[in-house]
Amino acid sequence: AQSVAQPEDQVNVAEGNPLTVKCTYSVSGNPYLFWYVQYPNRGLQFLLKYITGDNLVKGSYGFEAEFNKSQTSFHLKKPSALVSDSALYFCAVREQAAGNKLTFGGGTRVLVKP
Amino acid sequence: SQTIHQWPATLVQPVGSPLSLECTVEGTSNPNLYWYRQAAGRGLQLLFYSVGIGQISSEVPQNLSASRPQDRQFILSSKKLLLSDSGFYLCAWSVKGSGRSNTGELFFGEGSRLTVL
Repeated sequence: AQSVAQPEDQVNVAEGNPLTVKCTYSVSGNPYLFWYVQYPNRGLQFLLKYITGDNLVKGSYGFEAEFNKSQTSFHLKKPSALVSDSALYFCAVREQAAGNKLTFGGGTRVLVKP
Repeated sequence: SQTIHQWPATLVQPVGSPLSLECTVEGTSNPNLYWYRQAAGRGLQLLFYSVGIGQISSEVPQNLSASRPQDRQFILSSKKLLLSDSGFYLCAWSVKGSGRSNTGELFFGEGSRLTVL
C-alpha cells in the first residue's frame, strides 16, 4: 500500500524568506511524486512532479522539490516566499506499478506574512 | 488543450433532497475520472473513480453514487442527502494507460461546494 505524510498542519514564514513544506512517502516500489496547491474555494493546481532522473525538480511559480530516496522524502521548497504563496499544499504519491490512483497527504497550510 | 468543467459551483440543499453534480472533460478521450470530497478545507477523500463508460469503482461506502453515461461525463448523485454530505466536491481526470508514458497526475476541476441544511 502507498501512503503520504505531511507532518506539519501549518507553516508560517515571512515574505522573502525560504519556504519548505515537508512530505514523506511510503511505497513498495518506485514512486511517482507530485505537489499540488489549492487556493481558497478553488480546485487543486498541479505544481510539479518527480518521475525519474534528477532529484531536484523545478515546477511552476518558482517552486522546486527534492527527491530523497534514502529518506523517502519529497520536500517542496521556494527560495523566497511571496504573500501570494499562502495556500494549502498537497503532496501525493503513485507507485509506478500500481493502478491509476494517487494517494494524497493531509495537506499543509502555508501562511506567508508581509 | 484539455479542460474540465464542474457544475454547479455552489449548492445549498435541504436534508433528504436529491443531488446531482456534473463533471465534463474536453480535449481528451477515454480519460480516467475521479470524484473527491474535501471536508473542512483539508484532506481529500477519494469517493469514486472510473476507467470507462459504465465502469465505476467505489472507494467508500456511503450515501452517494456515481455514473459515467458518456466517455467524458461523470456524475455524482444522491437520492437523499444527509448533513454529513456537506463538503467541497472535486472532479478530476487523468490520462489512461500503463507504462512510463503515463505518470498519473490528476487534473482537477474548480469544485462544487455543497451545503446540506
